[in-house]
Amino acid sequence: GAGVSQSPSNKVTEKGKDVELRCDPISGHTALYWYRQSLGQGLEFLIYFQGNSAPDKSGLPSDRFSAERTGGSVSTLTIQRTQQEDSAVYLCASSIIGLAVQTDTQYFGPGTRLTVL
Amino acid sequence: GDSVTQMEGPVTLSEEAFLTINCTYTATGYPSLFWYVQYPGEGLQLLLKATKADDKGSNKGFEATYRKETTSFHLEKGSVQVSDSAVYFCALRTNFGNEKLTFGTGTRLTIIP
Repeated sequence: GAGVSQSPSNKVTEKGKDVELRCDPISGHTALYWYRQSLGQGLEFLIYFQGNSAPDKSGLPSDRFSAERTGGSVSTLTIQRTQQEDSAVYLCASSIIGLAVQTDTQYFGPGTRLTVL
Repeated sequence: GDSVTQMEGPVTLSEEAFLTINCTYTATGYPSLFWYVQYPGEGLQLLLKATKADDKGSNKGFEATYRKETTSFHLEKGSVQVSDSAVYFCALRTNFGNEKLTFGTGTRLTIIP
């Protein structure tokens, strides 16, 4: 597609339920990132996928959070047993990783606003 | 660890005023530096970037110069417009191959006519 797309745009869930957030990166982009934007924490990195390499999960806040990327394209971020502090906007970004830093711009999707009641 | 400190807002200016949003960073090695902008109701967009010391990034009348000696990347614009009202984020990326961005807290800018 023309840009990074995310779905749903808004998600309201009850505490304790599981949620899945989807990201479709720009076609041909080998790298995919998840970030979280919340009032208390600002914009924080969650997880990074690059090609077939093992993902960098260093930003995931707890083991309730997981993500996968199927076929090197679409990614799903799963939050199990949601808590109120998980309420935030979840942003996905993608980029081409090449030999030159000029190719490394991250393009962001519109985000999914998650509200945990 | 890596961190970005940027001027806290909100900042309110009159149209055609001069804008500076300060950004300083702490990082190992030689990071790339970025300014991202989030317009109301829209996603995060790259505004400009600089990848090495003394580089100047520029776009839409905005400029920022990578100053290694002061570890700064201040955003400037000579004459702001109402359409510049947005939230601005300073960010860095350190090791090439470890691509995550570290963001500042964001500065909300409002331009009044």
